Amino acid sequence: GDSVTQMEGPVTLSEEAFLTINCTYTATGYPSLFWYVQYPGEGLQLLLKATKADDKGSNKGFEATYRKETTSFHLEKGSVQVSDSAVYFCALRGGNDYKLSFGAGTTVTVRA
Amino acid sequence: GAVVSQHPSRVICKSGTSVKIECRSLDFQATTMFWYRQFPKQSLMLMATSNEGSKATYEQGVEKDKFLINHASLTLSTLTVTSAHPEDSSFYICSAAAAGHGTNYGYTFGSGTRLTVV
Repeated sequence: GDSVTQMEGPVTLSEEAFLTINCTYTATGYPSLFWYVQYPGEGLQLLLKATKADDKGSNKGFEATYRKETTSFHLEKGSVQVSDSAVYFCALRGGNDYKLSFGAGTTVTVRA
Repeated sequence: GAVVSQHPSRVICKSGTSVKIECRSLDFQATTMFWYRQFPKQSLMLMATSNEGSKATYEQGVEKDKFLINHASLTLSTLTVTSAHPEDSSFYICSAAAAGHGTNYGYTFGSGTRLTVV
């Protein structure tokens, strides 16, 4: 079945540092890929998405590129802020399934 | 954009009582809604999928008599935790899929409900 493997955290960074969170997936067909962000005590918000190979999703300075050859969708941000402290989830939705498969989540803490 | 409203955000109840959590799609019709449970510092565990007007589909290991799901309209789904016990304490999150949206759409999530059973 579909699955997502996500870099384990926690990750602690200083402000303005570069952030990378690795995500790889296993899926049949051509899944859509997503990154969600969860701030403390809240639900999930869609951060960005990519629906086909080589697509790049971007939002709020975050980027991720759908790499079919490496089955990856790594999240990057060039200069993080304290407000980026949150839990980040990589997820996929398979072509034949309505369900979202989530990675384990990566907790990111950015220190001033 | 699509908004899902989930209430209450926090609830404390006594052991043995039932608690109802509501999930409403405010500006779109949600043919399918999902209920998740999240344990501290863990990922989301899908509990069940509900389609408007039909019985919910529960994931393996989820007690359907314990977690009653009703999706009576295209904008409202409810999760009732019956005879709650302390081990039911958790963060419950709903999400909704809009009618006609294909696989390239993510889902819109509610803000979650922190249930504490004492």
